[in-house]
Order: sequence, then structure tokens, then C-alpha cells
Amino acid sequence: GENVEQHPSTLSVQEGDSAVIKCTYSDSASNYFPWYKQELGKGPQLIIDIRSNVGEKKDQRIAVTLNKTAKHFSLHITETQPEDSAVYFCAGAGSYQLTFGKGTKLSVIP
Amino acid sequence: DAGVIQSPRHEVTEMGQEVTLRCKPISGHDYLFWYRQTMMRGLELLIYFNNNVPIDDSGMPEDRFSAKMPNASFSTLKIQPSEPRDSAVYFCASLTGVFTGELFFGEGSRLTVL
Repeated sequence: GENVEQHPSTLSVQEGDSAVIKCTYSDSASNYFPWYKQELGKGPQLIIDIRSNVGEKKDQRIAVTLNKTAKHFSLHITETQPEDSAVYFCAGAGSYQLTFGKGTKLSVIP
Repeated sequence: DAGVIQSPRHEVTEMGQEVTLRCKPISGHDYLFWYRQTMMRGLELLIYFNNNVPIDDSGMPEDRFSAKMPNASFSTLKIQPSEPRDSAVYFCASLTGVFTGELFFGEGSRLTVL
């Protein structure tokens, strides 16, 4: 089955700086890579996703890149704000199952 | 739509007791998932249903865990008997259409087994 590794497990940045979270996956058949944000006491919520026929996708301050050859994908958050503080999960999906990384706790310091 | 609704939000029980967690998926969603979240293991898929039928329960830890989906608007996850190592946050999630789509999570049920 799929195995998704996520790094770092914790990340602290100053407000206004950029944050990068990286993930690798093992199953070359995986073709869908979403990112979820989990705020304290809530369930994860989708913030952006990318499919294997696309190398990069942007949505305002958030971008995701995918390198299928190397089997890794990354989340980039620019101009970080305090409300970006949360746990972020990457995931990979093939034909029938979504496998999550262990999560990255992002702290944005005002 | 109100989103995925889970109950109870918090449950504290003693070892050996039966625990039942409940979930109402978003109306019209074909898939329903139960996940368990712990610090050590992250988000683990326990079981998922498609059109009320269990498809993959390979993530269910052991026979003490069971899940049912009697109709399209209701599912339960039962633990009997409960053990302290079952303490975790249990999430229900649903999605519609193809598997690679947005998964909508409930707010979770935090279980503490003493």
C-alpha cells in the first residue's frame, strides 16, 4: 500500500515569512495529492490539492508542487499570518485509498 | 448543509465499558470513512463504506471494534470492551463521487478510556 512521509513534524516561522512542508510517497500509482489543515479541536479541512498531470498549483498565498519522478510534493505558504498556525497534513491517493502523512504543526510567531 | 455531524464530541469511560460513536454524513455523499487520530500514529483509516456497504475494514485494530452503516444517513463505530489504548480522537468523514475528491470531516469524538 501507499506510504506517505511528511517533514518537518514542527515548524516555526515569523509572521510574513514563508513556510514549506515536504512529503514523499511510495506508490507510483498514486495520482491525487491533497493537503488538509487542522485547527485546534476541529476536523481536517481541504486547502489545496494537485493531480498527477499537473506540476504546480496556486491559490492565493498557498501553492503546491509535485515531482512525480522523485515521488515528492510540497506545500508552500507565503506571507504567513497568525491564522495559518495549525497542523497540516499531506496525503496521497491511488485508486481506492487516501493515506495521510503524520502532520506538521506550523506556528506563526507574530 | 450542516456538514458531517458526529456525537458525542467527548466521551470519558472506564476500561471494559462499551463505547458507541455516531456519525451523520453529508446528504448525497456515497462514501463514509472512520479515522482514528493519535499523536503517535497520526490519522489512521479504520474502515470505509460505499453506498452503505463496508468496503475495506483492514484498518480496524481488532475484533473489539465494529462499524455499521444501516442507512445512507447514519453510521456507528462501536468499541466493546474499551481499553485505555483506545483513547484517541475518532473522525468520521464523507465524500461524493470518485474517490479522489474532497473529504469532508466531522469535528471528531474525543474518547478517553480510564
